[in-house]
Amino acid sequence: DAGVTQSPTHLIKTRGQHVTLRCSPISGHKSVSWYQQVLGQGPQFIFQYYEKEERGRGNFPDRFSARQFPNYSSELNVNALLLGDSALYLCASSLNPGTEQFFGPGTRLTVL
Amino acid sequence: GIQVEQSPPDLILQEGANSTLRCNFSDSVNNLQWFHQNPWGQLINLFYIPSGTKQNGRLSATTVATERYSLLYISSSQTTDSGVYFCAVWVMRAGKSTFGDGTTLTVKP
Repeated sequence: DAGVTQSPTHLIKTRGQHVTLRCSPISGHKSVSWYQQVLGQGPQFIFQYYEKEERGRGNFPDRFSARQFPNYSSELNVNALLLGDSALYLCASSLNPGTEQFFGPGTRLTVL
Repeated sequence: GIQVEQSPPDLILQEGANSTLRCNFSDSVNNLQWFHQNPWGQLINLFYIPSGTKQNGRLSATTVATERYSLLYISSSQTTDSGVYFCAVWVMRAGKSTFGDGTTLTVKP
């Protein structure tokens, strides 16, 4: 069975631009969470979606938004990119909120 | 919000040695996971362990939820065990997951 997939693998943007990251969960999983990981730190929780509704939000500015589609895939959008947004963005899927999470390989975003 | 502290931050071992990694958390949690992050950034599931003890080969984990800590044991360490180990907790009422800053393990041949 396919695991969690994310696209693209790598991305280079310039300050002020917008970016969209995509995630497909494990088949049968209805919950998707997004994390940001900067070098030397643990992943930081951004959002959780379940059944197309936002169920949790971390301490990130309104430039960050997300949505979940009827097939349970998800997009993370970041507007007005800053240099500090450079990070590894990880997506995790789980059957339901709070159950075991499985992570995708991540999207490495570089903002120049 | 909840605080998650992992110790030690760095650990260097000779191949064959045993080690214990610790994860302390500041509030009640609904679940806890241990992960190993490989050099390419992939988080690999080790244990889903809200409470009790589990074993998988050379690895085992114990979570004492009432005392707010979890331990990851690695026995007979191998060079392939090198990497960063994270614990992550889930608090249902907050609707969010919190990771510790990790323990970086280096196993020397």
